[in-house]
Amino acid sequence: EPEVTQTPSHQVTQMGQEVILRCVPISNHLYFYWYRQILGQKVEFLVSFYNNEISEKSEIFDDQFSVERPDGSNFTLKIRSTKLEDSAMYFCASSGMRLARDTQYFGPGTRLTVL
Amino acid sequence: AQSVAQPEDQVNVAEGNPLTVKCTYSVSGNPYLFWYVQYPNRGLQFLLKYITGDNLVKGSYGFEAEFNKSQTSFHLKKPSALVSDSALYFCAVRDQAGTALIFGKGTTLSVSS
Repeated sequence: EPEVTQTPSHQVTQMGQEVILRCVPISNHLYFYWYRQILGQKVEFLVSFYNNEISEKSEIFDDQFSVERPDGSNFTLKIRSTKLEDSAMYFCASSGMRLARDTQYFGPGTRLTVL
Repeated sequence: AQSVAQPEDQVNVAEGNPLTVKCTYSVSGNPYLFWYVQYPNRGLQFLLKYITGDNLVKGSYGFEAEFNKSQTSFHLKKPSALVSDSALYFCAVRDQAGTALIFGKGTTLSVSS
């Protein structure tokens, strides 16, 4: 069964450093998403992406964040200058269609620890 | 604004007993409702969704959920719980216009043998 994959599984970085989190969505999916889950809190939407453009973003997704689909398979989330409060589990998801009825399938997540 | 409430932080049931995990929502227009499960150190796994039609939706692993429009609820149920069902369960909603899933805070289900 196709699945979303994410690398690395755990990333440790120093405050102020740039990090890139990588995701490989399900191959025939067209819509991609990033969510985060701070330890002990709810899963929060960051951004959705389609056709090389951001479709929707939350207030969390400020200028420190960017997303990119650098090739036909990868989807990345970059945090330009990490802060302590960026420590969280970051989940990538993909769906086949943008219709709200379609299911988003999630990857296993990348745990980001900012020291 | 859209929101999801899961009023119980934890639900405890004995193996073989029925289980219910509660979810209520607030959204403008018709909701699209989802349940996901998260096992320790794992990602979110899709269980089931309500889009339209029959109010009782059946999903993976014997789970089902009942959509109640008047009560704005979408409770997750299973007739007979298994120890392996122990996990963190998230309810989520999308409206027809948006792309974002809005999640509840999650409910930990603990099934004892």
